[in-house]
Amino acid sequence: QSALTQPASVSGSPGQSITISCTGTSSDVGGYDFVSWYQQHPGKAPKLILYDVYNRPSGVSNRFSGSKSGNTASLHISGLQAEDEADYYCSSYTSSSAVFGGGTKLTVL
Amino acid sequence: QVQLVESGGGVVQPGRSLRLSCAASGFIFSSYNMHWVRQAPGRGLEWVAIIWYDGRNQYYAESVKGRFTISKDNSKDTVSLQMNGLRADDTAVYYCARDAPSGGMDVWGQGTTVTVSS
Repeated sequence: QSALTQPASVSGSPGQSITISCTGTSSDVGGYDFVSWYQQHPGKAPKLILYDVYNRPSGVSNRFSGSKSGNTASLHISGLQAEDEADYYCSSYTSSSAVFGGGTKLTVL
Repeated sequence: QVQLVESGGGVVQPGRSLRLSCAASGFIFSSYNMHWVRQAPGRGLEWVAIIWYDGRNQYYAESVKGRFTISKDNSKDTVSLQMNGLRADDTAVYYCARDAPSGGMDVWGQGTTVTVSS
């Protein structure tokens, strides 16, 4: 499987909203609603923030939301906060494999 | 609390072997599929392997197939990654992660660093 395609970087000011895209193919993102998103701060392990496209694990802020159209999934972050500055990764998965996107660095200006 | 702790990383010469372990606690380990995911220095996440809850099925990324073996010991609540024929491009932080039945990888260890260098 080839890595999913994400923009290398996005930025926004506190309080603004941003969207990070994740483009795959009909064999991964487009074929299943098994897309997850992870947040990773420097030197830390990734943290699951969305699963099955738009579901949030317990404890994750409702400022994070997800959507999907065709072969592209998207992570939306509203009301940007300084603590949101991190790397974000999408992933498409099945019971026998997973593939990650290349990652997007979010800078909060 | 729910926790995963990796161990076994280190510096190893190209072509040699290394075995990583991941100790689980705080949940019913035998009920969960488990992953290994790695991250090369300054790079993104790369999925390595998955093993099903009962250990009967394993699947690998093409980049490690035939060289790495994932195993699961439900009596000891551990998942392991046997890495043979190591190459410089295997240098990475290796994470074990729990496969959430609801979707995604919901628990991650802190990672263990593997450096392949002569």
